[in-house]
Amino acid sequence: EAQVTQNPRYLITVTGKKLTVTCSQNMNHEYMSWYRQDPGLGLRQIYYSMNVEVTDKGDVPEGYKVSRKEKRNFPLILESPSPNQTSLYFCASSNKGPVGGETQYFGPGTRLLVL
Amino acid sequence: QQQVKQSPQSLIVQKGGISIINCAYENTAFDYFPWYQQFPGKGPALLIAIRPDVSEKKEGRFTISFNKSAKQFSLHIMDSQPGDSATYFCAARGVRGTYKYIFGTGTRLKVLA
Repeated sequence: EAQVTQNPRYLITVTGKKLTVTCSQNMNHEYMSWYRQDPGLGLRQIYYSMNVEVTDKGDVPEGYKVSRKEKRNFPLILESPSPNQTSLYFCASSNKGPVGGETQYFGPGTRLLVL
Repeated sequence: QQQVKQSPQSLIVQKGGISIINCAYENTAFDYFPWYQQFPGKGPALLIAIRPDVSEKKEGRFTISFNKSAKQFSLHIMDSQPGDSATYFCAARGVRGTYKYIFGTGTRLKVLA
């Protein structure tokens, strides 16, 4: 089944304790992205990647790191989590789209609580 | 200006009615405008999308109307059904050649049976 998987789905942690949220896709997609979703703010892009070893900042990259060492994986790293990073996180992937655009496929989400 | 402004925040429609959600943008570099549908506990899923050189796109009961001069686009859901109850997000892809996306703040639609 074609899908984007994220782990863990739920995570409670404490301020300053490094964590990694994994994202993997089995569709051989070139593009991958991380978003956070907060009430009243919609989805905000954190980082994106257009190919292996190619990453770039989205709208809200502060406090996050990413890496793209393999095509299928795009982990999100919080080196020193803070309470304002409590959010619902989504990973998405898509093929390189035509001029008209691409379809992003979203994972099921990771709900993070930072105490 | 990178924002995409979406309205209304919430919408209640009777079954069979028309649901209309509006979005406005400032950046003329945006080149692709998708709408996503999200059910509770799920990730967003692409519903329909449009390019700025097209004024309207229809897929079944869903239509995007695009007004390039006004920098506005809207989603129309005809014959709205209870199963359409979800949160809808408009989005815009910015800067050609990038994968940078700006999303609206979302509209929670409830269709009454």
